[in-house]
Amino acid sequence: EAGVAQSPRYKIIEKRQSVAFWCNPISGHATLYWYQQILGQGPKLLIQFQNNGVVDDSQLPKDRFSAERLKGVDSTLKIQPAKLEDSAVYLCASSLEAGVVSEQYFGPGTRLTVT
Amino acid sequence: RKEVEQDPGPFNVPEGATVAFNCTYSNSASQSFFWYRQDCRKEPKLLMSVYSSGNEDGRFTAQLNRASQYISLLIRDSKLSDSATYLCLMDSNYQLIWGAGTKLIIKP
Repeated sequence: EAGVAQSPRYKIIEKRQSVAFWCNPISGHATLYWYQQILGQGPKLLIQFQNNGVVDDSQLPKDRFSAERLKGVDSTLKIQPAKLEDSAVYLCASSLEAGVVSEQYFGPGTRLTVT
Repeated sequence: RKEVEQDPGPFNVPEGATVAFNCTYSNSASQSFFWYRQDCRKEPKLLMSVYSSGNEDGRFTAQLNRASQYISLLIRDSKLSDSATYLCLMDSNYQLIWGAGTKLIIKP
C-alpha cells in the first residue's frame, strides 16, 4: 500500500516569496492533516480536513496560509508571503476514519527554509 | 500551564534497562491518547494507543492516569533501536495537541 506522498521534499525561498506544498494521502483515507513542526517542538496542527470539508483550522495563520482539498483527495498548502519564522518541516498526515481520532500516517514532510 | 507537557530529556539509558516517561495534560475532558515515535529527521509513526485500561505491546506498556492527568510509556529491555523522540498526542477541546517530545538515547 502506498504511503502519504508529499512534494517537494525541500524548499528554500526568500522572505516575502510564496510557496506551495502538495500532499496525496493514502487512498481511501477520509481525514487529512497539515502540520508545522519547528525543530525541537512537537507538530502543530494547521488544518484538518474531513473529506473536502474543514474540521479545524483554528491555528492556521489565515493572513498568509491557505489550504484546500478540492476533491476530497489530495491537498495543497500555500504560504504567501513567507516569513523567516515559517522555516519548519510541513507534515501531511492522513487517517482512515472520519469523526474519530485514529491512527495518523505521515508523509516524509517538506523542509522549508526561509532566508 | 501548557496543555500538554513532556520532559524533553534527553534520557540516556544503558541498553537492556527499563525506562519510563510521562506526558501530562491539563484538559480533563481529553478522550483519546496516543504515543508516537519520531526518529531524527523522519516523520512521526504511531507506537501505540493509550486505553483507559492500559495496554501492552511487547516491551512497551502505556497507561492512562485520569486522576493525575497523565499518560505514561514504559519500555522494558531497551534496545539501541529504541533511540528516538517519543511524542504524545491527545485531543483537547476537539483539537489535536502534541507534546514537544521526550528524547531517548539508548547507549551500548
